Amino acid sequence: KQEVTQIPAALSVPEGENLVLNCSFTDSAIYNLQWFRQDPGKGLTSLLLIQSSQREQTSGRLNASLDKSSGRSTLYIAASQPGDSATYLCAVAGNQFYFGTGTSLTVIP
Amino acid sequence: GAVVSQHPSWVICKSGTSVKIECRSLDFQATTMFWYRQFPKQSLMLMATSNEGSKATYEQGVEKDKFLINHASLTLSTLTVTSAHPEDSSFYICSARGPGASGGVETQYFGPGTRLLVL
Repeated sequence: KQEVTQIPAALSVPEGENLVLNCSFTDSAIYNLQWFRQDPGKGLTSLLLIQSSQREQTSGRLNASLDKSSGRSTLYIAASQPGDSATYLCAVAGNQFYFGTGTSLTVIP
Repeated sequence: GAVVSQHPSWVICKSGTSVKIECRSLDFQATTMFWYRQFPKQSLMLMATSNEGSKATYEQGVEKDKFLINHASLTLSTLTVTSAHPEDSSFYICSARGPGASGGVETQYFGPGTRLLVL
């Protein structure tokens, strides 16, 4: 069974810092990997989707990479802002979606 | 882009009552929808896969007689929590498999979630 792990579980950084969130998965047979943002008590907002044949995707200050062979993905956030504070979830798509445990990010003004 | 809605967004009910949650794909047809449950400070756990016109497929440990799923049309799936108890209080999120961007590979689109509180 696919297992998805995210490190760190929580992260607190001052505004303006660049940061990296990590996601690892045990089964490399995936269709794609997706990064989501979840605000407290809210649903999911899709940030980036990387197909299994791709290495990275970029959107604004966000960059996600995928190394399928090693079972790893990173989400890079440049010049962090207080509005980036949220929980970030990665999910891998195989026969179903498997979600990671999430990283709770706090950006301090 | 593809949009999935859920109704209601939150519900409070008494123990022993049944609660129905709707999941709709607004601008696309979805033959497959998924229901997830999320407990506080935990990640999403897949409960069941809902297929239009056929029975839902439940994940191990999910009681199919307690969590009734009906996918009667290509744009609507419902989850009914029967005889709800306080331990059923959770955040329920649905998703629908839909067209990818620019006609690309299909992907999942998530609803905003329904928060259930059983007293």
